Amino acid sequence: ILNVEQSPQSLHVQEGDSTNFTCSFPSSNFYALHWYRWETAKSPEALFVMTLNGDEKKKGRISATLNTKEGYSYLYIKGSQPEDSATYLCASDDTYSGAGSYQLTFGKGTKLSVIP
Amino acid sequence: DAGITQSPRHKVTETGTPVTLRCHQTENHRYMYWYRQDPGHGLRLIHYSYGVKDTDKGEVSDGYSVSRSKTEDFLLTLESATSSQTSVYFCAISGITGSSYEQYFGPGTRLTVT
Repeated sequence: ILNVEQSPQSLHVQEGDSTNFTCSFPSSNFYALHWYRWETAKSPEALFVMTLNGDEKKKGRISATLNTKEGYSYLYIKGSQPEDSATYLCASDDTYSGAGSYQLTFGKGTKLSVIP
Repeated sequence: DAGITQSPRHKVTETGTPVTLRCHQTENHRYMYWYRQDPGHGLRLIHYSYGVKDTDKGEVSDGYSVSRSKTEDFLLTLESATSSQTSVYFCAISGITGSSYEQYFGPGTRLTVT
């Protein structure tokens, strides 16, 4: 079982502020790192899947980077808006070469609240 | 939205009774998963399936069994429900599209065991 850690646990920012949070994961047997956005009373929605060291992904104001050698990923939100309020989950997959079942181990999430 | 539904959406049951939750997909995806979500624990994998009749245990499989007799349905059974199984249960599906294989989650089932 992987140990996936996310920090901070929760975060309050003012509308318009940029923010970032961290996901750390074991770097051995790494296959992929996922980020999900989870709004209250809804289901998690996929944001990014990253596999290569140095990967950067972007979707609108949200971007993510990946460092597989040191085992961390950052999620950035530029100019936070109230609708960005959600819990952001990262998950690590250590299945290699598609021979496994693509099991994910989730972190506990970072809960972001954007204050208008 | 991925075509994935869960039933029932809410259930209250008594300790010791059997309970079956159903996950149904219309995407023809190979992989299906059952998670439970609890405060302080995030999402934890219960069981998963990598094909019809092919299933395996996840991190928290004790007290649960699963079956997948056809591609579109993945059933989670609590043989004898306990209060510790009160939780929100999410089903997810995954298929490889190009180079990505995000998991798509169902709406969740809130189970209360009294």
